[in-house]
Amino acid sequence: NAGVTQTPKFRILKIGQSMTLQCTQDMNHNYMYWYRQDPGMGLKLIYYSVGAGITDKGEVPNGYNVSRSTTEDFPLRLELAAPSQTSVYFCASSYSSESYGYTFGSGTRLTVV
Amino acid sequence: AQTVTQSQPEMSVQEAETVTLSCTYDTSENNYYLFWYKQPPSRQMILVIRQEAYKQQNATENRFSVNFQKAAKSFSLKISDSQLGDTAMYFCAFMSPFSNFGNEKLTFGTGTRLTIIP
Repeated sequence: NAGVTQTPKFRILKIGQSMTLQCTQDMNHNYMYWYRQDPGMGLKLIYYSVGAGITDKGEVPNGYNVSRSTTEDFPLRLELAAPSQTSVYFCASSYSSESYGYTFGSGTRLTVV
Repeated sequence: AQTVTQSQPEMSVQEAETVTLSCTYDTSENNYYLFWYKQPPSRQMILVIRQEAYKQQNATENRFSVNFQKAAKSFSLKISDSQLGDTAMYFCAFMSPFSNFGNEKLTFGTGTRLTIIP
């Protein structure tokens, strides 16, 4: 049981480039999330999804896009990368119940230069 | 919107001692869920303990326990017999019931960096 798998683990982008962070879960969770964690800070929600075909903005969605075509996958797209997007990105998933918290992926460290 | 505050950016304690990490939150809801997550240097986010607001009994998981004071909106984490492997960032988090659409997400505090000294 792999849980939540994120790829890549590390990436360096040049300003203006684009990339997609991949996230897959094999627990049949309906709910999936993308957070970013800036150095020394907590996690801020970028986008989330309550099921296939349904996505919604979180606290810091600007500069990002998501899609949810299947229950398993929730990719995060960065368009026109900027230095302010240098961060660690976490994908997470949960049951359709608030009492269990999240299962997190291992994170992607992204640097924009 | 809910907010979560962790007022201790850093703490350190000798191995085998007990340490308490503080967390306060702000909400107008009566029913909700609180969590403590651990983030070791490996960066992995690990659920340590959870508490349902409707339960009066404080949650306990082995050496980890919470002091949940609902009226004061306080949710502190106590680590007993601390071990070197407890060295990590600890995040307090809040979640509203999913029954209200749009609540299906965790709000995190800024974290406390805990160092266990040998």
